[in-house]
Amino acid sequence: GAVVSQHPSRVICKSGTSVKIECRSLDFQATTMFWYRQFPKQSLMLMATSNEGSKATYEQGVEKDKFLINHASLTLSTLTVTSAHPEDSSFYICSARDQRRGPNYGYTFGSGTRLTVV
Amino acid sequence: AQTVTQSQPEMSVQEAETVTLSCTYDTSESDYYLFWYKQPPSRQMILVIRQEAYKQQNATENRFSVNFQKAAKSFSLKISDSQLGDAAMYFCAYRSADDMRFGAGTRLTVKP
Repeated sequence: GAVVSQHPSRVICKSGTSVKIECRSLDFQATTMFWYRQFPKQSLMLMATSNEGSKATYEQGVEKDKFLINHASLTLSTLTVTSAHPEDSSFYICSARDQRRGPNYGYTFGSGTRLTVV
Repeated sequence: AQTVTQSQPEMSVQEAETVTLSCTYDTSESDYYLFWYKQPPSRQMILVIRQEAYKQQNATENRFSVNFQKAAKSFSLKISDSQLGDAAMYFCAYRSADDMRFGAGTRLTVKP
């Protein structure tokens, strides 16, 4: 089945530094990947849609310059949280759709990254 | 914009009993897909069941089934013979084109 690998699973960084999170589709190509943010006991909020070879599409209210997304290949999308602040601490999840399968298949999710900014 | 509403923040069920989780959505689209995802404490999102809007027949996956009422824009999940491993957050999700939106989630507790 489709597998999405997300790294790191946990990261602690200091305020003002940048953190990169990777999302890889291991056994399929994904022209589109999605980045979500999840606060404790809340739902997943779509942050942006990552498109291979082009600019990401950000949801309203998401700062493009703070959350840099790069989708340089058909199997890798990265989310970089720049100049991180404690309020950026959250759980970040990526997902991708295996386009070999029908549109009703749904998305495969990475295991998530817990970011803590101190 | 499409919205997904789960009106039950928490539900509880006795082991081996049946429980129904509610979900409603709002859309002007005619072609879309609906999903239920499970998120256990590991935080991994696991697909439970899916439903195509153009299909009238309700989807079933073993102990999980849905009651899809398109006119009412309702998509409830029924879990039969509940097991301890079913305890998790359950998210209803709507997808049209290429993005997916989630409801707020329902935390299901299974009592032994």
